Amino acid sequence: KAGVTQTPRYLIKTRGQQVTLSCSPISGHRSVSWYQQTPGQGLQFLFEYFSETQRNKGNFPGRFSGRQFSNSRSEMNVSTLELGDSALYLCASSLVPGDTYEQYFGPGTRLTVT
Amino acid sequence: AQSVTQLDSHVSVSEGTPVLLRCNYSSSYSPSLFWYVQHPNKGLQLLLKYTSAATLVKGINGFEAEFKKSETSFHLTKPSAHMSDAAEYFCVVSDGGGATNKLIFGTGTLLAVQP
Repeated sequence: KAGVTQTPRYLIKTRGQQVTLSCSPISGHRSVSWYQQTPGQGLQFLFEYFSETQRNKGNFPGRFSGRQFSNSRSEMNVSTLELGDSALYLCASSLVPGDTYEQYFGPGTRLTVT
Repeated sequence: AQSVTQLDSHVSVSEGTPVLLRCNYSSSYSPSLFWYVQHPNKGLQLLLKYTSAATLVKGINGFEAEFKKSETSFHLTKPSAHMSDAAEYFCVVSDGGGATNKLIFGTGTLLAVQP
C-alpha cells in the first residue's frame, strides 16, 4: 500500500507570493492533519480535517488555510509569504480521528521563502 | 493544557550501550502519549504509544517506554543501541482526550550513536 504522498517535495518562493501544498493520504484514510516544522519552533500543529470538515486549527495567522476534498486529499495554502514561513510542512493521515488509529506521516514539503 | 518536556536536547551513547531519552508530561486528564522518530530527510515514524492500557509499552526496534503517573514521566529506553538508531526522537501528547488527531510535540532529542 502506498504511503502518504506530498507534492511538491521542494519549493522556493519569494516573499509576498502564495503557495499551495498537496497531501494525498493512504488509501482508505479519511483524516488528514498538517504540521509545520522549523528549527526554532519545532513541530507545530496547523490543521486537522475529516470528511471535508476542519475539526481543529492551530495557532497560526489567517494567511494559513486548508481544505479537504471528497477523495480525502488535502491542500494547504499560505498567502503573502513571509521569510518565517520557511519550514518543512508535514502531512499525516489516519483512518479516522482519535488515538486508536496510527497517524502516518508523509516525507514533507520543504518550503524556502527568499 | 497538554504539554511535554524533553529533558535532553542531545544524547550521545556508544553502540551496544543502553539508551535513555527522558520525557515529562503535563495533562489535565489521563493522557495519550507517543514517541516518534525522525531519521534525516525522512518523515516521522511512530515508535510506540500509551493509551491507558499497560504502563510498560513495547515498540518497534527494541524500544520501550514506561508511563509513570506519580512522576509524570514517559521515558524511552532501549537496552542496546545500534548505529541505525541515530536520529531525532520526539515525545508527543495527544490533545483532545483521544478524540482528535491533534498532536503536541516536544522539542526533540537528537540521539548520536558512537561506534
